[in-house]
Amino acid sequence: GAGVSQSPSNKVTEKGKDVELRCDPISGHTALYWYRQRLGQGLEFLIYFQGNSAPDKSGLPSDRFSAERTGESVSTLTIQRTQQEDSAVYLCASSLQTTASTDTQYFGPGTRLTVL
Amino acid sequence: QKEVEQDPGPLSVPEGAIVSLNCTYSNSAFQYFMWYRQYSRKGPELLMYTYSSGNKEDGRFTAQVDKSSKYISLFIRDSQPSDSATYLCAMSPSLYGQNFVFGPGTRLSVLP
Repeated sequence: GAGVSQSPSNKVTEKGKDVELRCDPISGHTALYWYRQRLGQGLEFLIYFQGNSAPDKSGLPSDRFSAERTGESVSTLTIQRTQQEDSAVYLCASSLQTTASTDTQYFGPGTRLTVL
Repeated sequence: QKEVEQDPGPLSVPEGAIVSLNCTYSNSAFQYFMWYRQYSRKGPELLMYTYSSGNKEDGRFTAQVDKSSKYISLFIRDSQPSDSATYLCAMSPSLYGQNFVFGPGTRLSVLP
C-alpha cells in the first residue's frame, strides 16, 4: 500500500482485557514509532524501532504496554489488563530516517481504543 | 509548565482570512520545528519544518521561528475551508523522531 495502515480502526474493550493493535509501515521505512493521542492533548511518544537496533521503550507508561516489530515490517502494540485511562487514539508512524533531512514521519489513521 | 504550549482553540475564521497559529516552548535545546496538519479521524501529516530561527515559505503557508523568544508561528494566507483541521506544532533537539515533542494542537475552522 501507499501509506501506513493500522488495524483495527476502532476497538472497544472491557476493563481488564488485553488488546493488540497492528501497524503496517510504508515498505522500506526502517523507523517505526507508536504514539498515544488523548483527547485535547498532544501526541505522546510510546516506543521507537529502528532497523535491528534495540527499541527505545522510554515512552511506555507502564509494564502493561509492550510492542514488537518483525524486522522492518509489521509492528504490534499490546496493552494488557486495559484500564479506562488507556482510552485514546494510538497512532503509528514510519520514516526513512535518512541523515539528509529531518525525520519525516508518515502517520497511519490511528486506532481509536475505548475501554469501558 | 508544559514543554510545548499551544492554544487549543477552536479558532474560526472566514474564508480568505490570514490565520496565525502559535506555539511557545521552554526547552532551549530544540533546534528542529515542525507543523503538522491533522484532519478529523486521520493521522497527522507534515506541513513544514524549519531548522533553527528564521522564516520558511511554501505556497500559502509560512513558518516562522524565533528562538530568542522560544516562539514559533504558522501563517496561512487566503485560508480555505479545506484548511479546516487541527494544527500540531512539534519540535526536537535532534534530527530524529523519537525526540519529538508535540503541542496539543489548535483546531481551526475556515467558514465559507
